[in-house]
Amino acid sequence: EAGVVQSPRYKIIEKKQPVAFWCNPISGHNTLYWYLQNLGQGPELLIRYENEEAVDDSQLPKDRFSAERLKGVDSTLKIQPAELGDSAVYLCASSLRGYTGELFFGEGSRLTVL
Amino acid sequence: AQSVTQLDSQVPVFEEAPVELRCNYSSSVSVYLFWYVQYPNQGLQLLLKYLSGSTLVKGINGFEAEFNKSQTSFHLRKPSVHISDTAEYFCAVSEPQLIFGTGTRLQVFP
Repeated sequence: EAGVVQSPRYKIIEKKQPVAFWCNPISGHNTLYWYLQNLGQGPELLIRYENEEAVDDSQLPKDRFSAERLKGVDSTLKIQPAELGDSAVYLCASSLRGYTGELFFGEGSRLTVL
Repeated sequence: AQSVTQLDSQVPVFEEAPVELRCNYSSSVSVYLFWYVQYPNQGLQLLLKYLSGSTLVKGINGFEAEFNKSQTSFHLRKPSVHISDTAEYFCAVSEPQLIFGTGTRLQVFP
């Protein structure tokens, strides 16, 4: 069974440029999460989807970040424009509906903003 | 809001020695608790979880953790570590969304 797939693994951009990350969750997992992981820190939730509905986006900086999950399967997280402080790893995870904490994570997308 | 405190940012240990990684949480209600492991350049992987029942939880790779409600702790232990256990370990509590601690870097030396 394929795991959570993310791309790109690494991205280097200049500040003020846009960037997008893509995530394909495990087949059958209704719930999809985007987490931000700064160096030396634990993951912090940015947004959670139940199917195509964003049910928790309270931690998503909406002035520059956006996300979508149009058909309730794969998802895209976008930053426009990127700032130096956005350099981090962006993790995608998925789980079954009604989860009891077992999230399956992708390998992450490491963003460096110069 | 709930929070998780991992008391040690780094734990160095020699191979085959026992190890304990400490985790405390803040909550006065029933919680679900988890330990995740992150190997270099990889995503997080579930080690074990406590939902209810026995307070001693066994996980993968020989790890176990004990839920202590009175001390609000959920420490992770392994009786004999291996070089391959070198990784970052995250304790997490459900709220129900997972709230992660800042992680403990376990470094196993030969």
